Amino acid sequence: AQSVAQPEDQVNVAEGNPLTVKCTYSVSGNPYLFWYVQYPNRGLQFLLKYITGDNLVKGSYGFEAEFNKSQTSFHLKKPSALVSDSALYFCAVRDLTTDSWGKFQFGAGTQVVVTP
Amino acid sequence: NAGVMQNPRHLVRRRGQEARLRCSPMKGHSHVYWYRQLPEEGLKFMVYLQKENIIDESGMPKERFSAEFPKEGPSILRIQQVVRGDSAAYFCASSFGAETQYFGPGTRLLVL
Repeated sequence: AQSVAQPEDQVNVAEGNPLTVKCTYSVSGNPYLFWYVQYPNRGLQFLLKYITGDNLVKGSYGFEAEFNKSQTSFHLKKPSALVSDSALYFCAVRDLTTDSWGKFQFGAGTQVVVTP
Repeated sequence: NAGVMQNPRHLVRRRGQEARLRCSPMKGHSHVYWYRQLPEEGLKFMVYLQKENIIDESGMPKERFSAEFPKEGPSILRIQQVVRGDSAAYFCASSFGAETQYFGPGTRLLVL
């Protein structure tokens, strides 16, 4: 079975400081990993994904994520946070080796609060 | 290039009524997924469909819930005899094969 853990309910950071949102995963095969962001009363917006290749993935709005196979992690990072980055962030995993390969398993979400 | 469309955006029903939620996938996408988000919680997978077929419904309650994705027209998530516990945001996503899922704005269902 696949699972995703986001160990922090909330991350607080001052504007201009680096932002990290943590994600660890568990799959039986090779993972496809994704990050999404959700603003209040909106749907999820795709940020970036890891399928294969370079472990460092660059995405939208200056975000990047590093795939670490040995630590089964896929942490989301931004070098300099903006107040407008305040939102709910979800990590998701998809295991293509299972019968239910179409299903995303989402983490519980991490609320990011960036203060001016 | 329109994204995933969902309607209605807000739906109010009384207990015992039926709720019908519609989702039109992005152009060219033949895979549709439904998720439910309860207040203060993450997204829970409900069902995965391709045109005219249900591929995985392991997250869908066995009673009162059904989904379809006909050859023509939008995907429909149908909830019969709604109860207060069905109040949630329901999100639809679509994809082109085993790739990124793109989400719609959601339908917020309130059961009185």
